[in-house]
Amino acid sequence: NAGVTQTPKFQVLKTGQSMTLQCAQDMNHEYMSWYRQDPGMGLRLIHYSVGAGITDQGEVPNGYNVSRSTTEDFPLRLLSAAPSQTSVYFCASSYSSTGRGATEAFFGQGTRLTVV
Amino acid sequence: AQSVTQLDSHVSVSEGTPVLLRCNYSSSYSPSLFWYVQHPNKGLQLLLKYTSAATLVKGINGFEAEFKKSETSFHLTKPSAHMSDAAEYFCVVSDSPNDYKLSFGAGTTVTVRA
Repeated sequence: NAGVTQTPKFQVLKTGQSMTLQCAQDMNHEYMSWYRQDPGMGLRLIHYSVGAGITDQGEVPNGYNVSRSTTEDFPLRLLSAAPSQTSVYFCASSYSSTGRGATEAFFGQGTRLTVV
Repeated sequence: AQSVTQLDSHVSVSEGTPVLLRCNYSSSYSPSLFWYVQHPNKGLQLLLKYTSAATLVKGINGFEAEFKKSETSFHLTKPSAHMSDAAEYFCVVSDSPNDYKLSFGAGTTVTVRA
């Protein structure tokens, strides 16, 4: 049981390049999400999914795309990288608990992205 | 709408002394509240959670937090700090029973002096 796995751990991109950050979970969780972490700002939600085929925007979605074709995988695509997207990216998953309050999120180890 | 304010961006304590990390929240409903810890260059680990059961919640590594609805607070404490407690701590809220979305505070960095 690996939990939430993110790849790569580190990446350097040039401005304008595109890439995909991978996220996979093996806990059969319905909910998956992507966050970015910047100093002094906590984690901010980029996109999320409540199940295969269903995605929605979070707080800071511009410049990013997602898709959810399977329960396990939730890739994040940077369409045209910009220096403002330099950040640490975390993928998380959680399970449903209807009417009993939100359940805790399980996080991957993060991807440190630098755009030059 | 939900939001979280962590009242201290940085806390410095001596090893063996108490730790207090302060968190206030705003919520339209009965919230679920969490504390996460992040050690340098690591992912986030759940310390403890409150989901409308006991108001005093015990977590891992000797941490606990008390939910005070009248004060809209969820402060994190530990009686005796250890060097391994040096990390960043996040207070997190979700304010709807069927809402998976989490709102994070800005974080509190804890430094432990020998």
